[in-house]
Amino acid sequence: GAVVSQHPSRVICKSGTSVKIECRSLDFQATTMFWYRQFPKQSLMLMATSNEGSKATYEQGVEKDKFLINHASLTLSTLTVTSAHPEDSSFYICSARDREGYSNQPQHFGDGTRLSIL
Amino acid sequence: GENVEQHPSTLSVQEGDSAVIKCTYSDSASNYFPWYKQELGKGPQLIIDIRSNVGEKKDQRIAVTLNKTAKHFSLHITETQPEDSAVYFCAADTGTASKLTFGTGTRLQVTL
Repeated sequence: GAVVSQHPSRVICKSGTSVKIECRSLDFQATTMFWYRQFPKQSLMLMATSNEGSKATYEQGVEKDKFLINHASLTLSTLTVTSAHPEDSSFYICSARDREGYSNQPQHFGDGTRLSIL
Repeated sequence: GENVEQHPSTLSVQEGDSAVIKCTYSDSASNYFPWYKQELGKGPQLIIDIRSNVGEKKDQRIAVTLNKTAKHFSLHITETQPEDSAVYFCAADTGTASKLTFGTGTRLQVTL
């Protein structure tokens, strides 16, 4: 149980392109999803919290117009990197938390998307 | 905000030996502490978690201990196997913001 699917797993595109990444909870409903960025050999850095049916909450220093988040259903959140540039190249990972049970339900992670901007 | 420190950054053990990874946290309001294993090119996988009303939890070869007074929690892996080689992250969650704060990670290598 608690499977999170992230797609695509890898994207290579030209500078200026917008890229959309999907995050789906396959066997549970997720009121809240999270988007992280991870640089090589570093920890996960939270970018934003995605809430179903409302605007995402962005962490300090993360440009909301650059990283557009949509959480239109209880099983799908999307991250769009707009007008991507080489400095946006990174490993992006989503997670989802089951809406049932404790307030501190575990976060379950997707397998990440490696974004490379040429 | 919460700050989580994790040690060591790298750990090499022989197959069959035990491995211990330690974390400290700063926010006394934190009440949920998961541990994740991340293999190369993959997302983190939850391996065990503990809540603040429990001092120890065990799942086969993996155990986690929590000392709320000292704000320490540790991951113990016994009888290590080569497939345990990965990067391990501890994390803390205060519940109010429900955001995880991650440690800096420990690269565990289990050698034959």
